[in-house]
Amino acid sequence: EAGVAQSPRYKIIEKRQSVAFWCNPISGHATLYWYQQILGQGPKLLIQFQNNGVVDDSQLPKDRFSAERLKGVDSTLKIQPAKLEDSAVYLCASSQAESTDTQYFGPGTRLTVL
Amino acid sequence: GEDVEQSLFLSVREGDSSVINCTYTDSSSTYLYWYKQEPGAGLQLLTYIFSNMDMKQDQRLTVLLNKKDKHLSLRIADTQTGDSAIYFCAEGHSSASKIIFGSGTRLSIRP
Repeated sequence: EAGVAQSPRYKIIEKRQSVAFWCNPISGHATLYWYQQILGQGPKLLIQFQNNGVVDDSQLPKDRFSAERLKGVDSTLKIQPAKLEDSAVYLCASSQAESTDTQYFGPGTRLTVL
Repeated sequence: GEDVEQSLFLSVREGDSSVINCTYTDSSSTYLYWYKQEPGAGLQLLTYIFSNMDMKQDQRLTVLLNKKDKHLSLRIADTQTGDSAIYFCAEGHSSASKIIFGSGTRLSIRP
């Protein structure tokens, strides 16, 4: 079974630029999550989708971050404009159903904002 | 609010047992997890325990839960060099999928 795929693996941008990350969850997984992991910390949930609907985006900085999962499969997370403090690893995870709670993580995208 | 705390570092000799400890604050947590993160990789679910259990054993891994003290531990028997990684404790609920992670414990193995 293929795992969660993410791209790019690494991205370096200057502050105030825009960036987008892509995630393809495990086939059949209805729930998709985006986490931000700052160096030395545990992952923090940014947004959770159930199919193509948002379940929880309470921790998403909506003035600069946006995410979509239009067809209920893959998802894109965008930052516009980026700030220095956005430097982190952005992890995508998926699970079969909301109540299952067993999340499978992708390798992440490491973002460096200069 | 919800919080999960772990010590930052642990160093053990190869072949010894490693014990990683964690405390959490949310007494309504239903699931308690241990994830492993190797350099440059995503998080790998190692094991999890339901809050109505005291212990779970899976090969070299033993999870102990003290619900009264909100204390969770992960014991790795016969620690090997391949066990070097960051271990994250996390808590979650069955009614929602939000998982709260600790800051991770970096396990290093001495020869």
